[in-house]
Amino acid sequence: DGGITQSPKYLFRKEGQNVTLSCEQNLNHDAMYWYRQDPGQGLRLIYYSQIVNDFQKGDIAEGYSVSREKKESFPLTVTSAQKNPTAFYLCASSIEGNTEAFFGQGTRLTVV
Amino acid sequence: GQQVMQIPQYQHVQEGEDFTTYCNSSTTLSNIQWYKQRPGGHPVFLIQLVKSGEVKKQKRLTFQFGEAKKNSSLHITATQTTDVGTYFCAGPGGATNKLIFGTGTLLAVQP
Repeated sequence: DGGITQSPKYLFRKEGQNVTLSCEQNLNHDAMYWYRQDPGQGLRLIYYSQIVNDFQKGDIAEGYSVSREKKESFPLTVTSAQKNPTAFYLCASSIEGNTEAFFGQGTRLTVV
Repeated sequence: GQQVMQIPQYQHVQEGEDFTTYCNSSTTLSNIQWYKQRPGGHPVFLIQLVKSGEVKKQKRLTFQFGEAKKNSSLHITATQTTDVGTYFCAGPGGATNKLIFGTGTLLAVQP
């Protein structure tokens, strides 16, 4: 089955630790995105990538880092510099930037 | 930067009533997309509108793209409990067409 997979679904970390969220797609999509969603809030763009080995900051990139070494993979690292990391993180991909986006199931990160 | 706002933020209706959410962009959009996110779920693509003034229907859902391509609306006729969720509009923004989402409208339907 083609799709986009995020893992894990739930993640707990202690404050001060870095954590990496996985996002893999087998849709052969060029564009990939990371969004953050807080309770009752919309989707805020963290980082996006239009092509392998290239990515751009979104509106709330501070405290986050990404890599795009392979077309299929776009991992997101939440660093200790992120002040309020507890949130629902959604990864998405699309054929190109202005087309339909497919979302993963999301990772709910809780930092204690 | 580009902003996409939606109103209302929240709407509570009785089952069978109609519902409309409005989307407004600060810049002209090449297209507008609509997504639905069920409670606890992830956004799922509903439709994309490309042409100025375009209207598309999906059963009880009617989508419209404004003449100036800066606004859009989603209208649901005779809501059902299965319509519950948050509806987002989204449009490509900036030189790289990154997908910018609206603030969303949460729809609650009382049986």
